[in-house]
Amino acid sequence: AQSVTQPDIHITVSEGASLELRCNYSYGATPYLFWYVQSPGQGLQLLLKYFSGDTLVQGIKGFEAEFKRSQSSFNLRKPSVHWSDAAEYFCAVGALFGNEKLTFGTGTRLTIIP
Amino acid sequence: GAGVSQSPSNKVTEKGKDVELRCDPISGHTALYWYRQSLGQGLEFLIYFQGNSAPDKSGLPSDRFSAERTGGSVSTLTIQRTQQEDSAVYLCASTLSHEQFFGPGTRLTVL
Repeated sequence: AQSVTQPDIHITVSEGASLELRCNYSYGATPYLFWYVQSPGQGLQLLLKYFSGDTLVQGIKGFEAEFKRSQSSFNLRKPSVHWSDAAEYFCAVGALFGNEKLTFGTGTRLTIIP
Repeated sequence: GAGVSQSPSNKVTEKGKDVELRCDPISGHTALYWYRQSLGQGLEFLIYFQGNSAPDKSGLPSDRFSAERTGGSVSTLTIQRTQQEDSAVYLCASTLSHEQFFGPGTRLTVL
């Protein structure tokens, strides 16, 4: 069965500091990986996705993620966070065909301090 | 263009009542998903519709939950005889090119 682990429930960083959110997955085939962001009272917005090819993927809002098959990881990074990045971040894994239902991690809540 | 819309945005109901939640997907998206987001369970898949194929209901937690999709577009999730544990945010997503676009959700509170 597929699963996603986000080991950090809550992370606090200073504005302007770098950020890395961890994600580990378990999947029986080639994974299709996503990072979503959810602001309070909002739906999920896609930040980036990994389908195949280059293991470093760029997303919106200055985010990037690196797929490491050997570590079953897909960590999200941003070189310099902004106060508006405060939100909850979800890593997810899905299939490429048929029912492409997403299996989500439990999320990491990001707090930004001045 | 218009995104996925869901209604109502909030629903408060009494235990034992039935509720209907509506999802309007993005026009032209053939696949539609329902998910539930709750404090205890996180985000979990409920049901999947693809075109005219039979839906994949494998994520529905009990037979009190059902969903339909009319004309390959609008979908309705129905919960019968609601229980307090049904309180959650119900999210709908439609898909294009392997990317799921989520609606804002319906927050259901069962008293």
